[in-house]
Amino acid sequence: GNSVTQMEGPVTLSEEAFLTINCTYTATGYPSLFWYVQYPGEGLQLLLKATKADDKGSNKGFEATYRKETTSFHLEKGSVQVSDSAVYFCALSERLGGAQKLVFGQGTRLTINP
Amino acid sequence: GAGVSQSPSNKVTEKGKDVELRCDPISGHTALYWYRQSLGQGLEFLIYFQGNSAPDKSGLPSDRFSAERTGGSVSTLTIQRTQQEDSAVYLCASSPLGETQYFGPGTRLLVL
Repeated sequence: GNSVTQMEGPVTLSEEAFLTINCTYTATGYPSLFWYVQYPGEGLQLLLKATKADDKGSNKGFEATYRKETTSFHLEKGSVQVSDSAVYFCALSERLGGAQKLVFGQGTRLTINP
Repeated sequence: GAGVSQSPSNKVTEKGKDVELRCDPISGHTALYWYRQSLGQGLEFLIYFQGNSAPDKSGLPSDRFSAERTGGSVSTLTIQRTQQEDSAVYLCASSPLGETQYFGPGTRLLVL
């Protein structure tokens, strides 16, 4: 079946550091890819998405590019802030009739120190 | 507008008891999903509703789990004879058909 693998956490960085969180997937066909973020005490929020190969999703300074050749969707940010501390989930969509079931990676906890 | 809401936010119950978890989706969203977030299993799909169609129950872990969606809106997830391994955060999401899912804050269930 389809699956998503993320780099294991926790990840701890200093403010203004460069961030990469690796994500690779296994899927039949060409699913949409997502990054969701869960801030402390809050629910899951969509951070960014890409629906086809070579698409780049971006939001709040974060970027991820849908790479079909390497089946990857790595999350990057050039300069992280303390407020970026959260758990990040990579996910792909599986078709369920007309809807989409999300398959998630295990999550990566990110802590940014001032 | 209002987002997805879930109740209760926290639930503590004794092993063997039944529990009901409620989800109010975003108005107009035709698709509704339940997921479970637990330490051992990560985030896993449980069940999905689309409009008035029969739900896709392929992710339910056992026959103790059931869900219904009344009037194409509010959904209730019921766990019968709860076990300690049912302890988790239960997340509900809704979406327009085939579009991005929006998640509620979750219900944290603890089975003693």
